[in-house]
Amino acid sequence: AQSVAQPEDQVNVAEGNPLTVKCTYSVSGNPYLFWYVQYPNRGLQFLLKYITGDNLVKGSYGFEAEFNKSQTSFHLKKPSALVSDSALYFCAVRDRRDDKIIFGKGTRLHILP
Amino acid sequence: GAGVSQTPSNKVTEKGKYVELRCDPISGHTALYWYRQSLGQGPEFLIYFQGTGAADDSGLPNDRFFAVRPEGSVSTLKIQRTERGDSAVYLCASSLTSGVSYNEQFFGPGTRLTVL
Repeated sequence: AQSVAQPEDQVNVAEGNPLTVKCTYSVSGNPYLFWYVQYPNRGLQFLLKYITGDNLVKGSYGFEAEFNKSQTSFHLKKPSALVSDSALYFCAVRDRRDDKIIFGKGTRLHILP
Repeated sequence: GAGVSQTPSNKVTEKGKYVELRCDPISGHTALYWYRQSLGQGPEFLIYFQGTGAADDSGLPNDRFFAVRPEGSVSTLKIQRTERGDSAVYLCASSLTSGVSYNEQFFGPGTRLTVL
């Protein structure tokens, strides 16, 4: 069965510092991997996805994520955090043979001014 | 409006009542998904439509939950004999298609259901 783990409920980072939000996954085949962001009172917004090819994926708002097959991880990163990046971030996985997306529990990111 | 819309935004009902939640996907999107998000959790898959048919309803928790998409566009999630445990935010998403070539899902703002 597919699963996603986000080991940190909350991450605090000072503005201007690099940030990392961790995600590990479990899927039987080759995965599609995603990051979504949820701002208060707004719907989930797509940030980026890994389908195939280069392990480093670049997405919206300066975010990027690195697919590591041996560690089954897909950590979200940004070189320099902004206060406006404060939100709830969800990692998600889809088995290529299936249509369902399985989401992690989410990590709340606080960027401190 | 170019995005996915959901109505109502909030629904308060009493235990045992019947509710309907509506989703209007992005025009031209053939795939439509329903999720449920409980407090402090990520979205949980309920059902997926490709066109008018339910391609995968394995996430529906029990037979009180049912969803339709009769014309391949708007979808309605129906919950009978609501229980307090049904309280959650119900999210709808749509994408161009599913299958081999993946397209990302676009989410609506959700309907917050509260069962008293």
